[in-house]
Amino acid sequence: AQSVAQPEDQVNVAEGNPLTVKCTYSVSGNPYLFWYVQYPNRGLQFLLKYITGDNLVKGSYGFEAEFNKSQTSFHLKKPSALVSDSALYFCAVRARTAGNMLTFGGGTRLMVKP
Amino acid sequence: KAGVTQTPRYLIKTRGQQVTLSCSPISGHRSVSWYQQTPGQGLQFLFEYFSETQRNKGNFPGRFSGRQFSNSRSEMNVSTLELGDSALYLCASSPNTQGPQETQYFGPGTRLLVL
Repeated sequence: AQSVAQPEDQVNVAEGNPLTVKCTYSVSGNPYLFWYVQYPNRGLQFLLKYITGDNLVKGSYGFEAEFNKSQTSFHLKKPSALVSDSALYFCAVRARTAGNMLTFGGGTRLMVKP
Repeated sequence: KAGVTQTPRYLIKTRGQQVTLSCSPISGHRSVSWYQQTPGQGLQFLFEYFSETQRNKGNFPGRFSGRQFSNSRSEMNVSTLELGDSALYLCASSPNTQGPQETQYFGPGTRLLVL
């Protein structure tokens, strides 16, 4: 079975500072990892994904994520946070044998203060 | 391209009733998945449909069912509603051409409140 953990319910950061939202996963075989963001009263918006290759993945809105196989982590990062980045962030994993099913972490609320 | 659309956006029902939610995928997408989002349980996979067939199913009771039509539009039905079924129901579509690396694109969701 696959699982995802997002150890922080909330992350607070000042505007202009770097941000990190943590994610660790458990899956059999090679993982396919995704980050989504959810704004109030909206669905999930895709940010980026790791399939294979370079461990640093670049995505939308200046976000990037670093895949670390030994630590089974896929942390989301951004060099300079914006107030508009405040939202709920979800990490998800899909196993090769899981069809299209995504397993999500519990979500991390990011609060960026001016 | 238009995104994934879901109707209705909001719904209020009472216990014991049934409800049908609709999802229209992105044009050309053939796989449709449904997820339930609640504050307590987070995001949980309900089922996935491809070519009018259920291809994968999560751990939900049989009261939750779905179907897919030949134009890839999908519906999910919940019978004998319970208070705990109050949730945001999200639909996601994907082309089904890239295997497990494929990105799913989500609709805005239908918020169901069961009284």
